[in-house]
Amino acid sequence: QVQLLQSGPEVKKPGASVKVSCRASGYTFISHTISWVRQAPGQGLEWMGWITVYNGHTNYAQNLQGRVTVTTDTSASTAYMELRSLRSDDTAVYFCAREGHIRGFDYWGQGTLVTVSS
Amino acid sequence: SSELTQPPSVSVSPGQTARITCSADALPKQYFYWYQQKAGQAPVVVIIKDSERPSGIPERFSGSSSGTTVTLTISGVQAEDEADYYCQSADSSGSYRVFGGGTKLTVL
Repeated sequence: QVQLLQSGPEVKKPGASVKVSCRASGYTFISHTISWVRQAPGQGLEWMGWITVYNGHTNYAQNLQGRVTVTTDTSASTAYMELRSLRSDDTAVYFCAREGHIRGFDYWGQGTLVTVSS
Repeated sequence: SSELTQPPSVSVSPGQTARITCSADALPKQYFYWYQQKAGQAPVVVIIKDSERPSGIPERFSGSSSGTTVTLTISGVQAEDEADYYCQSADSSGSYRVFGGGTKLTVL
């Protein structure tokens, strides 16, 4: 069965960087795009960006351009999301999600809580 | 970029029909998707391609579209349907994804 397993919670200071991983299993990793979606406490879902795994092409939300980078290690079937210059309002649960072929985000990771606090 | 507007909350009694709307500021010419998110859990897709139900989603969930508004309808609402619901689409180029602000469905 398809699974996306994310790395554990992180606590970072303002100005630092965080890198969250998402290990995929149960399907051919390069055949689907992976998106990252975050959710601040008590708030809605915010799409951050995606990567087309087979060629590494990326697109990022305009408000995060320059601070976020999504990469993959196809040998490990793992996607990564790095967010730099962290601020307190980056405190959120970060999800990775597989995008099916015209099926929306059909599988999600369990979420990773990133807390930014001095 | 496209913006999707949802009502913050909808309340219905068990057995009634809940309708949650999602209005686009401009028709993105892309499909819409609906997600259910229960407290402390990852979202689950309940409607794909505007109106199709993925396997395993109960028949009481349906989707429709008219003009620049899409609607998620839950017929015969059950207590277990209490959750936050999000619509999602893409910009006209298909390069970016966007979520609506979310609607909290309360089952009275």
